[in-house]
Amino acid sequence: QKEVEQDPGPLSVPEGAIVSLNCTYSNSAFQYFMWYRQYSRKGPELLMYTYSSGNKEDGRFTAQVDKSSKYISLFIRDSQPSDSATYLCAMARSGNTGKLIFGQGTTLQVKP
Amino acid sequence: NAGVTQTPKFRILKIGQSMTLQCTQDMNHNYMYWYRQDPGMGLKLIYYSVGAGITDKGEVPNGYNVSRSTTEDFPLRLELAAPSQTSVYFCAHQERKGSNTGELFFGEGSRLTVL
Repeated sequence: QKEVEQDPGPLSVPEGAIVSLNCTYSNSAFQYFMWYRQYSRKGPELLMYTYSSGNKEDGRFTAQVDKSSKYISLFIRDSQPSDSATYLCAMARSGNTGKLIFGQGTTLQVKP
Repeated sequence: NAGVTQTPKFRILKIGQSMTLQCTQDMNHNYMYWYRQDPGMGLKLIYYSVGAGITDKGEVPNGYNVSRSTTEDFPLRLELAAPSQTSVYFCAHQERKGSNTGELFFGEGSRLTVL
């Protein structure tokens, strides 16, 4: 069993839709939860960062962490064509938060 | 470029050849990392460094070596290249101050094909 599971998609939605991206994990030691966005042929860039359980909102993006279920989500409201990218969840134990375990990524296409 | 430069951007190697991927950051950050990303997959940590002169293995270190003689540079060496090392390699840097958990800044990647 992989430590982090993520549905690879692809996911195609019309512009303006609400998008839900999800990851499950098996290691209860994970304390830090991140979402990275990766455009084609580019490096990942940090989108959202959450410590432990709870919700975090930043503009059109909301990240949720449910440690009891070992489940994290990213919601994108009013999706835009510029949101078309691969979204990677990533997790880290306490100590060194650069030692990330990534999901395989979900490819999202937002159609105008 | 997120303060990090990777060279080369593309390279084709023959089986058994060796090469070094270069990574330079200009943010004076202590922590640096090398990840690889196989097609349709997430990233896996190869090696990391918490400062000049200090390196440690990540999840998939076999077939690679690193060094960290300066804060700015963190080269990744591939010895005896194998087809399984065909991948995109990303270098990243991170600022750490005490218990603060800094953001990772990734380079644009080096695409390596071993034939």
